[in-house]
Parts: sequence; C-alpha cells; structure tokens
Amino acid sequence: EDKVVQSPLSLVVHEGDTVTLNCSYEVTNFRSLLWYKQEKKAPTFLFMLTSSGIEKKSGRLSSILDKKELFSILNITATQTGDSAVYLCGISGSARQLTFGSGTQLTVLP
Amino acid sequence: NAGVTQTPKFQVLKTGQSMTLQCAQDMNHNSMYWYRQDPGMGLRLIYYSASEGTTDKGEVPNGYNVSRLNKREFSLRLESAAPSQTSVYFCASSKTGQNTEAFFGQGTRLTVV
Repeated sequence: EDKVVQSPLSLVVHEGDTVTLNCSYEVTNFRSLLWYKQEKKAPTFLFMLTSSGIEKKSGRLSSILDKKELFSILNITATQTGDSAVYLCGISGSARQLTFGSGTQLTVLP
Repeated sequence: NAGVTQTPKFQVLKTGQSMTLQCAQDMNHNSMYWYRQDPGMGLRLIYYSASEGTTDKGEVPNGYNVSRLNKREFSLRLESAAPSQTSVYFCASSKTGQNTEAFFGQGTRLTVV
C-alpha cells in the first residue's frame, strides 16, 4: 500500500522567512511525486517530480526529489501572507492510485 | 474551460438517506479519483478508476460505491449516509500512462445530520 508522510503538520512563520516542507513516501514502482497548494478550495498544482536531484523552480518556490532516500522537499523563500495554505504531497505508482499525505498547514504572519 | 465539474457544491443529508455525487471531466482523461478531506487528514482516496470500465478501492471505500459511467463521468454514491461521512469530497482526473498532474473539481461539502 502506497504511503505518504508529510512534516511538519503545521508551521507558523513571519513574512520574509524561508520554510522547508518535507514529504517521505513508500510506493510500488514509483511514477511521480506531486506537490499541490490548497487555499480553502480545490488543490492547485505546483510541481511534478519524476527524477532525482533535478530541482523544479517557480518563483520563490522550489522542490527536489531524492528517489534513493524516498523523500522530497518543498522550499519557499521570502514567504508572503499569500503563501498561507495547506501544502499537499502526492505519490503515484504502478497501481495508478494517487495517494496524498496529511498536508502541512503553513501560516505566514505579517 | 470547464475542467472537472462536481455537483452539487453543498448538500445536507439525514442519517440513512442516499445520494449520488456527480463528477464529469472534459479533458479526455482516463483516470478519475474520489477523495474525502477531513480537518487535519489531507486527502484520503475513496475509489479510483484507471480507465473506463474499471474501478478500484482506495484507502477508505467502506460506505461508498462508484460508477464509471463513461470516460467523462465518475459518480460516487452513499447508499445510507452516516454522520461519519460528513466531509468535503473532491473528484480529480488525470491522464493514464503519462506523468501529468491531476486536476481537481471544486469540491462538495456534505453534512450528514
């Protein structure tokens, strides 16, 4: 059974701080790892990672995957109040399920 | 740009009532998913369908049934609703056989009293 564990479960920072969110996983025949941002409504896609060591970047957000150690991190630099959200990590394997972790609730204070 | 459409957006049921949540996608995706989201629990997979005509149980299938009516539509049925099924339900879809992201509907907030 595929499994995703995210940490921390919640995080409170001040604007301008840098945060690192963690995602570890177990999956049969890894296909991809996905990060989503959720602000009260439907999750919105951030990154998909399929190869180890290749950083994906979008503005102040970046993510990297380590397939040997079975984890990924999501970094957010110079945080803003608009970054406040739940960040979800999901894993896809050969069973073609898409399994998510419990999410990290990030709160950025002004 | 419809993407994934869920209906209804809100629903209140009495214990023991039945209902069907509808989901349709217009992106020609093969895979479709139903999740429930409870506070602090992330997204938990109820059922998924890797292709038209197939369905498989996810992490929390008890109390639910699904139908993959055709390639576009994937419905979730609660035969006898229980208060423990109070949750926000999300439908999602993705391409099968390719590494692409899943797209989510806007969710259905279901309350069982």
